[in-house]
Amino acid sequence: GAVVSQHPSWVICKSGTSVKIECRSLDFQATTMFWYRQFPKQSLMLMATSNEGSKATYEQGVEKDKFLINHASLTLSTLTVTSAHPEDSSFYICSARPLYKAGELFFGEGSRLTVL
Amino acid sequence: ELKVEQNPLFLSMQEGKNYTIYCNYSTTSDRLYWYRQDPGKSLESLFVLLSNGAVKQEGRLMASLDTKARLSTLHITAAVHDLSATYFCAVDIGGNNNDMRFGAGTRLTVKP
Repeated sequence: GAVVSQHPSWVICKSGTSVKIECRSLDFQATTMFWYRQFPKQSLMLMATSNEGSKATYEQGVEKDKFLINHASLTLSTLTVTSAHPEDSSFYICSARPLYKAGELFFGEGSRLTVL
Repeated sequence: ELKVEQNPLFLSMQEGKNYTIYCNYSTTSDRLYWYRQDPGKSLESLFVLLSNGAVKQEGRLMASLDTKARLSTLHITAAVHDLSATYFCAVDIGGNNNDMRFGAGTRLTVKP
Protein backbone atom coordinates (compact mmCIF):
# COMPACT_ATOMS: atom_id res chain seq x y z
CA GLY A 1 0.00 0.00 0.00
CA ALA A 2 0.84 3.74 0.03
CA VAL A 3 2.19 3.99 -3.49
CA VAL A 4 2.85 7.31 -5.16
CA SER A 5 3.31 7.26 -8.90
CA GLN A 6 4.95 9.97 -10.96
CA HIS A 7 4.68 10.30 -14.71
CA PRO A 8 6.70 10.66 -16.80
CA SER A 9 9.84 9.16 -15.27
CA TRP A 10 12.00 11.17 -17.59
CA VAL A 11 11.39 13.74 -20.24
CA ILE A 12 13.56 15.63 -22.69
CA CYS A 13 12.15 18.76 -24.21
CA LYS A 14 13.21 21.78 -26.18
CA SER A 15 13.77 25.12 -24.57
CA GLY A 16 10.62 27.23 -24.51
CA THR A 17 8.16 24.36 -24.31
CA SER A 18 6.05 23.39 -21.32
CA VAL A 19 6.19 20.08 -19.53
CA LYS A 20 3.60 18.58 -17.22
CA ILE A 21 4.49 16.08 -14.50
CA GLU A 22 1.80 14.10 -12.73
CA CYS A 23 1.87 12.83 -9.19
CA ARG A 24 -0.76 10.28 -8.19
CA SER A 25 -1.43 8.55 -4.93
CA LEU A 26 -2.59 5.15 -6.12
CA ASP A 27 -4.14 3.60 -3.04
CA PHE A 28 -4.79 6.44 -0.64
CA GLN A 29 -6.18 9.94 -0.55
CA ALA A 30 -3.92 12.88 0.03
CA THR A 31 -5.16 16.39 0.66
CA THR A 32 -1.59 17.59 0.62
CA MET A 33 1.20 16.81 -1.79
CA PHE A 34 4.64 18.32 -1.97
CA TRP A 35 6.93 19.06 -4.87
CA TYR A 36 10.71 19.04 -4.57
CA ARG A 37 13.58 19.47 -6.94
CA GLN A 38 16.95 17.89 -6.62
CA PHE A 39 20.09 18.84 -8.48
CA PRO A 40 22.77 16.21 -9.03
CA LYS A 41 24.46 15.11 -5.84
CA GLN A 42 22.48 17.61 -3.80
CA SER A 43 19.69 17.38 -1.33
CA LEU A 44 15.98 17.92 -1.92
CA MET A 45 14.61 21.42 -1.94
CA LEU A 46 10.92 21.94 -1.26
CA MET A 47 9.36 23.94 -4.08
CA ALA A 48 5.73 24.11 -3.08
CA THR A 49 2.96 22.57 -1.06
CA SER A 50 -0.02 21.49 -3.11
CA ASN A 51 -3.41 21.51 -1.41
CA GLU A 52 -6.46 19.86 -2.92
CA GLY A 53 -9.00 22.43 -3.95
CA SER A 54 -6.88 25.48 -3.22
CA LYS A 55 -3.86 27.32 -4.48
CA ALA A 56 -0.43 25.94 -3.90
CA THR A 57 1.90 27.51 -1.40
CA TYR A 58 5.28 28.25 -2.93
CA GLU A 59 8.60 28.45 -1.16
CA GLN A 60 10.55 31.66 -1.30
CA GLY A 61 12.39 32.05 -4.57
CA VAL A 62 10.17 29.66 -6.54
CA GLU A 63 8.37 31.34 -9.41
CA LYS A 64 4.72 30.43 -9.23
CA ASP A 65 4.10 31.51 -12.82
CA LYS A 66 6.83 29.24 -14.03
CA PHE A 67 6.01 26.20 -11.93
CA LEU A 68 2.25 25.81 -12.11
CA ILE A 69 0.76 23.41 -9.62
CA ASN A 70 -2.75 22.05 -9.79
CA HIS A 71 -4.19 19.70 -7.19
CA ALA A 72 -7.38 18.70 -8.90
CA SER A 73 -8.39 15.78 -6.74
CA LEU A 74 -7.45 13.91 -3.60
CA THR A 75 -5.19 11.63 -5.61
CA LEU A 76 -3.64 13.86 -8.26
CA SER A 77 -1.33 16.85 -8.33
CA THR A 78 0.39 18.17 -11.42
CA LEU A 79 3.45 20.33 -11.85
CA THR A 80 3.79 22.19 -15.13
CA VAL A 81 7.13 23.74 -15.96
CA THR A 82 6.24 26.53 -18.34
CA SER A 83 8.60 27.88 -20.97
CA ALA A 84 11.29 25.54 -19.80
CA HIS A 85 14.92 26.52 -19.97
CA PRO A 86 18.07 24.43 -19.57
CA GLU A 87 18.49 25.67 -16.01
CA ASP A 88 15.15 24.01 -15.18
CA SER A 89 16.73 20.63 -15.88
CA SER A 90 16.53 18.73 -12.65
CA PHE A 91 15.06 15.75 -10.85
CA TYR A 92 11.57 16.59 -9.65
CA ILE A 93 10.09 14.51 -6.84
CA CYS A 94 6.63 14.63 -5.35
CA SER A 95 5.44 13.30 -2.04
CA ALA A 96 2.00 12.77 -0.59
CA ARG A 97 0.71 12.71 2.95
CA PRO A 98 -2.11 10.21 3.55
CA LEU A 99 -5.26 11.35 5.28
CA TYR A 100 -5.17 8.27 7.48
CA LYS A 101 -1.63 8.52 8.79
CA ALA A 102 -0.37 11.77 10.19
CA GLY A 103 3.35 12.43 9.97
CA GLU A 104 4.01 9.95 7.17
CA LEU A 105 5.10 10.90 3.72
CA PHE A 106 5.36 8.74 0.65
CA PHE A 107 7.51 9.72 -2.29
CA GLY A 108 7.01 9.29 -5.98
CA GLU A 109 9.66 7.73 -8.18
CA GLY A 110 10.82 11.11 -9.43
CA SER A 111 10.82 12.71 -12.86
CA ARG A 112 14.04 13.66 -14.56
CA LEU A 113 13.62 16.70 -16.79
CA THR A 114 16.24 17.64 -19.35
CA VAL A 115 15.72 20.84 -21.29
CA LEU A 116 17.80 21.16 -24.42
CA GLU B 1 16.63 29.66 9.92
CA LEU B 2 16.51 25.92 10.38
CA LYS B 3 19.71 24.10 9.60
CA VAL B 4 19.94 20.36 9.21
CA GLU B 5 23.48 19.10 9.21
CA GLN B 6 24.52 15.59 8.43
CA ASN B 7 27.88 14.16 9.23
CA PRO B 8 29.73 12.69 7.49
CA LEU B 9 28.84 13.69 3.93
CA PHE B 10 30.81 10.85 2.42
CA LEU B 11 31.52 7.51 4.01
CA SER B 12 33.42 4.57 2.66
CA MET B 13 33.53 1.51 4.82
CA GLN B 14 34.36 -2.15 4.68
CA GLU B 15 31.74 -4.84 4.83
CA GLY B 16 31.17 -6.10 8.33
CA LYS B 17 32.05 -2.83 10.03
CA ASN B 18 29.84 -0.58 12.11
CA TYR B 19 29.35 3.14 11.75
CA THR B 20 27.03 5.96 12.79
CA ILE B 21 25.69 8.82 10.72
CA TYR B 22 24.70 11.94 12.64
CA CYS B 23 21.95 14.43 11.95
CA ASN B 24 21.92 17.68 13.92
CA TYR B 25 19.21 20.29 13.56
CA SER B 26 18.96 23.79 14.87
CA THR B 27 15.36 24.25 15.97
CA THR B 28 12.73 22.46 17.97
CA SER B 29 11.13 19.52 16.28
CA ASP B 30 9.88 16.13 17.31
CA ARG B 31 9.47 14.72 13.84
CA LEU B 32 12.49 13.36 12.12
CA TYR B 33 12.72 11.13 9.08
CA TRP B 34 15.41 9.00 7.53
CA TYR B 35 15.37 8.17 3.84
CA ARG B 36 17.49 6.15 1.48
CA GLN B 37 18.12 7.15 -2.10
CA ASP B 38 19.76 4.96 -4.73
CA PRO B 39 21.32 6.64 -7.78
CA GLY B 40 18.68 7.91 -10.16
CA LYS B 41 15.89 6.85 -7.86
CA SER B 42 13.51 8.58 -5.51
CA LEU B 43 13.47 8.40 -1.77
CA GLU B 44 12.63 5.31 0.20
CA SER B 45 11.34 5.87 3.71
CA LEU B 46 13.43 4.10 6.33
CA PHE B 47 12.32 5.48 9.66
CA VAL B 48 9.88 7.97 11.09
CA LEU B 49 10.82 9.16 14.58
CA LEU B 50 8.06 11.05 16.31
CA SER B 51 9.12 11.45 19.93
CA ASN B 52 12.09 12.05 22.13
CA GLY B 53 13.93 8.85 22.82
CA ALA B 54 12.40 7.03 19.87
CA VAL B 55 14.49 4.15 18.63
CA LYS B 56 13.63 2.07 15.60
CA GLN B 57 15.48 -0.80 13.99
CA GLU B 58 15.15 -2.49 10.65
CA GLY B 59 17.71 -5.07 9.70
CA ARG B 60 21.20 -3.63 9.98
CA LEU B 61 19.97 -0.07 10.47
CA MET B 62 18.91 1.54 13.72
CA ALA B 63 17.74 5.11 14.14
CA SER B 64 17.33 7.14 17.29
CA LEU B 65 16.12 10.60 18.19
CA ASP B 66 17.12 12.91 21.01
CA THR B 67 14.96 16.01 20.71
CA LYS B 68 16.68 17.73 23.61
CA ALA B 69 20.05 17.47 21.93
CA ARG B 70 18.42 18.01 18.53
CA LEU B 71 20.25 14.99 17.30
CA SER B 72 19.34 11.86 15.43
CA THR B 73 21.63 9.00 14.62
CA LEU B 74 21.51 6.27 12.02
CA HIS B 75 23.64 3.35 13.10
CA ILE B 76 24.84 0.76 10.64
CA THR B 77 25.72 -2.65 12.00
CA ALA B 78 27.89 -5.12 10.08
CA ALA B 79 27.56 -3.23 6.82
CA VAL B 80 26.92 -5.07 3.58
CA HIS B 81 27.36 -3.87 0.01
CA ASP B 82 23.61 -3.56 -0.52
CA LEU B 83 23.53 -0.71 1.96
CA SER B 84 25.51 1.49 -0.42
CA ALA B 85 23.29 4.50 -1.11
CA THR B 86 22.76 8.08 -0.05
CA TYR B 87 20.98 8.56 3.25
CA PHE B 88 19.05 11.70 4.07
CA CYS B 89 17.61 12.89 7.32
CA ALA B 90 14.76 15.36 7.23
CA VAL B 91 13.22 17.47 9.95
CA ASP B 92 9.62 18.58 9.95
CA ILE B 93 9.35 21.83 11.85
CA GLY B 94 5.88 22.68 10.64
CA GLY B 95 4.32 19.56 12.02
CA ASN B 96 2.39 19.00 8.84
CA ASN B 97 5.24 18.06 6.52
CA ASN B 98 4.88 21.45 4.90
CA ASP B 99 8.16 22.60 6.29
CA MET B 100 10.47 19.68 5.78
CA ARG B 101 14.13 20.43 5.61
CA PHE B 102 16.53 17.84 4.35
CA GLY B 103 20.11 17.32 5.33
CA ALA B 104 22.74 17.33 2.62
CA GLY B 105 22.84 13.55 2.59
CA THR B 106 25.49 11.01 3.43
CA ARG B 107 26.82 9.08 0.49
CA LEU B 108 27.69 5.64 1.79
CA THR B 109 29.86 3.18 -0.08
CA VAL B 110 30.35 -0.27 1.40
CA LYS B 111 33.30 -2.11 -0.04
CA PRO B 112 33.68 -5.89 -0.09
